[in-house]
Amino acid sequence: DIQMTQSPSSVSASVGDRVTITCRASQGISSWLAWYQQKPGKAPKLLIYAASSLQSGVPSRFSGSGSGTDFTLTISSLQPEDFATYYCQQANSFPLFTFGPGTKVDIK
Amino acid sequence: QVQLQESGPGLVKPSQTLSLTCTVSGGSISSGGYYWSWIRQHPGKGLEWIGYIYYSGSTYYNPSLKSRVTISVDTSKNQFSLKLSSVTAADTAVYYCARAQVHYFDYWGQGTLVTVSS
Repeated sequence: DIQMTQSPSSVSASVGDRVTITCRASQGISSWLAWYQQKPGKAPKLLIYAASSLQSGVPSRFSGSGSGTDFTLTISSLQPEDFATYYCQQANSFPLFTFGPGTKVDIK
Repeated sequence: QVQLQESGPGLVKPSQTLSLTCTVSGGSISSGGYYWSWIRQHPGKGLEWIGYIYYSGSTYYNPSLKSRVTISVDTSKNQFSLKLSSVTAADTAVYYCARAQVHYFDYWGQGTLVTVSS
């Protein structure tokens, strides 16, 4: 099974900061990776798919990069509505999907 | 705009079967091209994919839950359902239904908390 790890597990940041979250796969997954944002009490929301493609309607301050085993999600200028938990998800082993443990972005 | 809504009991007794239904609106399950999935999240924890069904009835389950999971579809009602048998407290979680554009989950239900307790 492909295992996903994320770092850091949490990050404190201020509005306007640039935030970078890393996701690592236990084996190569090409570009089969998505990023989701989840706010408390809400369902996850798809932000990025295929490692770097922005989902329709998602602000351009979100970007994704990477391939193989190492991936990053970058928020170029953190906004108040971006405080949330972010999850990566691998789709290389379709139809078996696995998610990372999450990274919580909170207010410094 | 596609919308998904979970429904079912919020409390299930240990050893019984958890049953949830997801009603899809704004799009037809029968149109094909999408995989209709169940995902759960234990309290304060990460996300676990349970399984999916295609409109044709083809299914695939997470091997860790496969022996206890059944997902079915009712295209006439535009619904799909989850049954998880022999539940324990470890199955207490928020259960989400979601649509997968094959590899990625683009629409989600709001989630429903199911507690396993006597």
